[in-house]
Amino acid sequence: DAKTTQPPSMDCAEGRAANLPCNHSTISGNEYVYWYRQIHSQGPQYIIHGLKNNETNEMASLIITEDRKSSTLILPHATLRDTAVYYCIVRVAGTASKLTFGTGTRLQVTL
Amino acid sequence: DVKVTQSSRYLVKRTGEKVFLECVQDMDHENMFWYRQDPGLGLRLIYFSYDVKMKEKGDIPEGYSVSREKKERFSLILESASTNQTSMYLCASSPSRTGLMGYTFGSGTRLTVV
Repeated sequence: DAKTTQPPSMDCAEGRAANLPCNHSTISGNEYVYWYRQIHSQGPQYIIHGLKNNETNEMASLIITEDRKSSTLILPHATLRDTAVYYCIVRVAGTASKLTFGTGTRLQVTL
Repeated sequence: DVKVTQSSRYLVKRTGEKVFLECVQDMDHENMFWYRQDPGLGLRLIYFSYDVKMKEKGDIPEGYSVSREKKERFSLILESASTNQTSMYLCASSPSRTGLMGYTFGSGTRLTVV
């Protein structure tokens, strides 16, 4: 699986968009980008995933660059409850391989 | 609502004890996973299973074993607990071998070995 690089921490004001970047410059053509988050004292929660097209669901949007070497998770209107560690993971689809979590980005949403 | 349930939220065991951590999912998922989480190290995979009675080692299997006798249940066993196994243990499941769907995690078991 390709390695990912994320900033260790970010701050965002409540109500503003939170844009969390992820670099995956060694991604290969059959690897998907997954995003999870972990709120304190809970298990990680799946947010969204994509291959090359931008994706949107009720939680977030995922923007993947055309060369697929980086992506951005967007929380359009961050709330205090979005304070969590966000993990970007790249993994080959079509295999039963496990997800490998790095150390992620700690997002702090403030008033 | 889909669920992965871990039997204990907090557990304190003595060094040398045999420890069982239980995980049950009600989603009929084929795949189940055990991770441990430590500060600064992120989540590390211990063992996983694609099917009943099937298991594969993850990145840090030493000191652990697993059992999957039924599809819905995946147990993590610490044969002889040691203090360096003090950690948060997280169980997860996913629905298919293709892995295109997201994982569902349990709330975790915080194990302290004294």
